[in-house]
Amino acid sequence: DTEVTQTPKHLVMGMTNKKSLKCEQHMGHRAMYWYKQKAKKPPELMFVYSYEKLSINESVPSRFSPECPNSSLLNLHLHALQPEDSALYLCASSQNSGTTYEQYFGPGTRLTVT
Amino acid sequence: AQSVAQPEDQVNVAEGNPLTVKCTYSVSGNPYLFWYVQYPNRGLQFLLKYITGDNLVKGSYGFEAEFNKSQTSFHLKKPSALVSDSALYFCAVREKAAGNKLTFGGGTRVLVKP
Repeated sequence: DTEVTQTPKHLVMGMTNKKSLKCEQHMGHRAMYWYKQKAKKPPELMFVYSYEKLSINESVPSRFSPECPNSSLLNLHLHALQPEDSALYLCASSQNSGTTYEQYFGPGTRLTVT
Repeated sequence: AQSVAQPEDQVNVAEGNPLTVKCTYSVSGNPYLFWYVQYPNRGLQFLLKYITGDNLVKGSYGFEAEFNKSQTSFHLKKPSALVSDSALYFCAVREKAAGNKLTFGGGTRVLVKP
């Protein structure tokens, strides 16, 4: 099973709202990622968790707050977003051992900030 | 830093004809290279990878890729394209020194016409 699930599929929020995106994987992967993707562009890395610890923050604004409650779950808390934050948010996971470094992606959450 | 480039924004091919999507890389050391495909409003799907060994790598859905060290290329190929192969394709390289993050090329849109 190489499935990464994400909820919700779509989210519309105002600039004063607080919302959360959720991601789950049951592949035993120890690395999990958040990406932001604009239309017809490659994904841009936001955060990396390795063994449930934040290992990379790609200078993401503080209105995005990641959380990794356990090895299977990854959340992205959103607060006071801007319209330019509207995008597809992708979660991914990978094993990162031996020769297995490919990342498996979820279907994404389409976020619209109004 | 590692990088990959996809020189073609779009590739058009007739159904049944061979499909090639180009990727060149710039890395220090041995490259870990990947191909992903993205269908509209979906996450990225892993197609194949090159780590070491045979220069011809076989992947999902009949795709294969040829690693060429002298030309620093990793082109994706399919002998006979299907209309359903129409999608956005990304080449990526693993950055070992940066927490195993993936760096993506700009993407190539493939349009297979009946």
